[in-house]
This record gives sequence, C-alpha cells and structure tokens, in this order.
Amino acid sequence: SQTIHQWPATLVQPVGSPLSLECTVEGTSNPNLYWYRQAAGRGLQLLFYSVGIGQISSEVPQNLSASRPQDRQFILSSKKLLLSDSGFYLCAWSVESGTETQYFGPGTRLLVL
Amino acid sequence: DQQVKQNSPSLSVQEGRISILNCDYTNSMFDYFLWYKKYPAEGPTFLISISSIKDKNEDGRFTVFLNKSAKHLSLHIVPSQPGDSAVYFCAAKYGSNYKLTFGKGTLLTVNP
Repeated sequence: SQTIHQWPATLVQPVGSPLSLECTVEGTSNPNLYWYRQAAGRGLQLLFYSVGIGQISSEVPQNLSASRPQDRQFILSSKKLLLSDSGFYLCAWSVESGTETQYFGPGTRLLVL
Repeated sequence: DQQVKQNSPSLSVQEGRISILNCDYTNSMFDYFLWYKKYPAEGPTFLISISSIKDKNEDGRFTVFLNKSAKHLSLHIVPSQPGDSAVYFCAAKYGSNYKLTFGKGTLLTVNP
C-alpha cells in the first residue's frame, strides 16, 4: 500500500529564516505530487504541483518554492520566511494520470514568529 | 472568487441520526467531486467521490448526492457516530486539471 510521510510535524521559525519541508511517498511510482497550505479558518489552497522529477508548476505567486529531486520526494522551501507563511502545510499524491483522488500526508504546522 | 462553498461552518447531530453536509459550486466545468474528513493537526482523509455522470454514490454509511442543475452536492452520513466528529471538506476538479478546489469546511460534531 502507499504511504506518504512529511516532516517535521511542527516547526517554529523566526521571520527571515529559511525553510525546508520534506515529503516522501512510498509504494508507488511516478506519482503526481502536491503542496497545499491551510491558513487559519480557510480551506486548502494548492501551492505547487509536480508531474515528474524537476517539473514544478506554481499556482500562487509567493515567498515559497518547491523542488522534486527524486521521483517520490517533494520539498517546499523558502529563503526568508514571512509572518504570513504561518499555516498548516500538506503534501499530497495522486496516480500519474492526475485524474484520480489525491491522498494527503499528515501535515506540518509552521509558526513564524 | 470562491468556486466551492460550504455555507455551514458547523453542524451538530445526535449519535445515530443522519448528518447532512452541503456544498455548492459555481464553476460548471467541475466534473469530479470529493469529500475529505480532517481531524485537528492531521492531513485530510479521502472519504468518497462522485463523477458528474452520476447523481449518487454510496460507500457504507456515506452517500454523496450530486445535483448538477443546482450545482449542489451533499454528503449523508447514516447513522452518525461520535468518531465522525471532524471537519469535512468538499473539493472539486475538472477534466485532467490537477487542481482541487476546496471549500472552507464544515465542523461536524456528533453528540453521544
């Protein structure tokens, strides 16, 4: 069966510091990968998606970037965090076709102070 | 522009009764709809989905109904259990587009 991991689970960072969140998927090959953010009191917002190694599409212009160095690894980064980057970050995967259901990881809660 | 709307931020139901969670959408191109359940500090868990070629899909205690003319879908949970207490998100997508558009969620509380 497929498993998706995210770490860290919780992170407290000062404004202006860098960020690196990691997501890995097991039990599948060539998945589509996604980064979402849930801000307080809001729904989930798609930030980035990737259909293959090195292929990143951005949905929302922002202070964040994503990379996919390996087939089942997806990384969310920032060079300098802003207060507005605080939120709950979720990684998800779907089968290669992209038409199927997306399955979410456990999430990372980021608090920028 | 909020294309997927869950107008009820919360719903409270007695154990054993039916829970009905509602979702409206504005984009007529949406052709695939999903419901997710989310506990605090956890990722959403997929519950059930429905394609626009159907008007009903059932999986155990969960049934999703789709009314395309009204651009409305609903999730029925029968019978409701205390463990169903969570935030429920409605999501929609179209064609081969990868993006899921989510509503803001409805907090369901099932009282014993």
